[in-house]
Amino acid sequence: KQEVTQIPAALSVPEGENLVLNCSFTDSAIYNLQWFRQDPGKGLTSLLLIQSSQREQTSGRLNASLDKSSGRSTLYIAASQPGDSATYLCAVTPPPWEGNNRLAFGKGNQVVVIP
Amino acid sequence: EAQVTQNPRYLITVTGKKLTVTCSQNMNHEYMSWYRQDPGLGLRQIYYSMNVEVTDKGDVPEGYKVSRKEKRNFPLILESPSPNQTSLYFCASSFFSGTSAYEQYFGPGTRLTVT
Repeated sequence: KQEVTQIPAALSVPEGENLVLNCSFTDSAIYNLQWFRQDPGKGLTSLLLIQSSQREQTSGRLNASLDKSSGRSTLYIAASQPGDSATYLCAVTPPPWEGNNRLAFGKGNQVVVIP
Repeated sequence: EAQVTQNPRYLITVTGKKLTVTCSQNMNHEYMSWYRQDPGLGLRQIYYSMNVEVTDKGDVPEGYKVSRKEKRNFPLILESPSPNQTSLYFCASSFFSGTSAYEQYFGPGTRLTVT
């Protein structure tokens, strides 16, 4: 069974610093990996999706890398802002021929950016 | 606007009183799924559907039912809710085939409290 771990569980950084969030997964047979943002008690907003054949994906201040063979992904957020305070969730998708597009989620990195 | 909608957003009910949480998507997605999110446990899949009239159990299906009579709708039914079903529920959808899996979109969530 796929296990997804996110370290650290919680972190605080001063505004302007770069954020580095780590995600690891036990089964490298993934189809893609998604990073989500969740504000307290709210829904999930998709930030980036990386296909298993890609090494990284970028959107604005966000950059996500993927090392499938070692089972790791990293989300970088450049020049953090207080509005980046949220929980960031990593999720992996199994190969579609396994018959279920179920996302295996980590428990999240809870981020506080201090003004 | 492409979206997944859920209703109600908040619900407080009593043990044993049947309820339905609706989910609808306007993106013509084949795949739809329900997750529940609990502190310390993360997000876990309840049921999923690969297409109309095709549904299957996820990781935590006990106490829930689903149906998929139309492509756009995937209601979650709790026939006899119990306090351990108090949770935050999310519906998700995506394009999906036997060979390709795509970005998943999430609804805003339904916070259910069973007393």
